[in-house]
Amino acid sequence: GENVEQHPSTLSVQEGDSAVIKCTYSDSASNYFPWYKQELGKRPQLIIDIRSNVGEKKDQRIAVTLNKTAKHFSLHITETQPEDSAVYFCAASRRVDNQFYFGTGTSLTVIP
Amino acid sequence: DTEVTQTPKHLVMGMTNKKSLKCEQHMGHRAMYWYKQKAKKPPELMFVYSYEKLSINESVPSRFSPECPNSSLLNLHLHALQPEDSALYLCASSQKGGRALSSPLHFGNGTRLTVT
Repeated sequence: GENVEQHPSTLSVQEGDSAVIKCTYSDSASNYFPWYKQELGKRPQLIIDIRSNVGEKKDQRIAVTLNKTAKHFSLHITETQPEDSAVYFCAASRRVDNQFYFGTGTSLTVIP
Repeated sequence: DTEVTQTPKHLVMGMTNKKSLKCEQHMGHRAMYWYKQKAKKPPELMFVYSYEKLSINESVPSRFSPECPNSSLLNLHLHALQPEDSALYLCASSQKGGRALSSPLHFGNGTRLTVT
């Protein structure tokens, strides 16, 4: 099956700085890579996603990059704000079974 | 507001009780999921229903029993749980089931379960 690794497990940045979270996956059949943000006590919410036929996608302050050859993808948050503080999970999904494999999560703290 | 509705929000049950968790979505999604989540850990897949048929069962103990009455509803029946089963139980749905193109998971707010 698929194995998704995520780094770092914790990340602290000053408000206004950038944050980068990296994930690697093992199964070349994975073709869809969503990122979820989970605030304390709340549900995971999709913030951005990318498919394997695209190398980069941006949505305002958030971007995701994908390197299929190296089997890694990254989340980039620019101009961080305190409300960006949360746990972020990457995931990989294979078309063959539509099952989602989650990374272990990154706890991001943005210091005002 | 979430488009996947879960009830109850909180549940406390004893080890001999029988209870059910309910999930409902009206987005026309054809795949529905149960996940278990411990604090600051990723969601762990329990069951997947695709077009109302159980397609994935991740070796979950038989004290958890899923049911999908129709394409909009998903239940999780609980019986003789253990204290270590205390967790947040998340329901999710996605637009397409089976081998169609992957689409994102939409999570409900979860049921916070405590087993005493």
